[in-house]
Amino acid sequence: GQQLNQSPQSMFIQEGEDVSMNCTSSSIFNTWLWYKQDPGEGPVLLIALYKAGELTSNGRLTAQFGITRKDSFLNISASIPSDVGIYFCAGRIGNQFYFGTGTSLTVIP
Amino acid sequence: NAGVTQTPKFRILKIGQSMTLQCTQDMNHNYMYWYRQDPGMGLKLIYYSVGAGITDKGEVPNGYNVSRSTTEDFPLRLELAAPSQTSVYFCASTPMTEAFFGQGTRLTVV
Repeated sequence: GQQLNQSPQSMFIQEGEDVSMNCTSSSIFNTWLWYKQDPGEGPVLLIALYKAGELTSNGRLTAQFGITRKDSFLNISASIPSDVGIYFCAGRIGNQFYFGTGTSLTVIP
Repeated sequence: NAGVTQTPKFRILKIGQSMTLQCTQDMNHNYMYWYRQDPGMGLKLIYYSVGAGITDKGEVPNGYNVSRSTTEDFPLRLELAAPSQTSVYFCASTPMTEAFFGQGTRLTVV
């Protein structure tokens, strides 16, 4: 299957700091998605991006669909303790979704 | 506001036993998927369906079967459970843009 390279694998930050993570691929995607997964729960959609260059915000979260359509990043500003969790990127080609391996975020109060 | 509902949430199986993981969605989505999630790995596609009566294999289909008799339901069947099938299983549905996930079934095969 398609490979999505997500980095960093884990992050430990102080409350109030900004966070940045990204996903890259050798394939072109039609849609980029960012999910958050809490322990014992399913992934929850945070942001969906539909066209190259698109920059979308959802509260303190901002994500961009790369111009080449092969990458995307997610920024979280002014992190808070409830931001803790695993963040996944996903790319869609046709009716198939491909997922990154996740970024584990720990926020230290 | 049910979305995608999976049952059971947890299950322990003995080697060789069989079980069905249930998945139902109330969003009238044609596309449904089963993934497994192993520690440190991304989601791996087991089977998917593009509509009632149509299913197809994903990346890791061995040891599993599915059926799609209605738009709402997409059960996943394990016929002869093996330790390698210990994992967290997620069902998802999509209107062809974003995927929406259930809460998962944590399966342990001992």
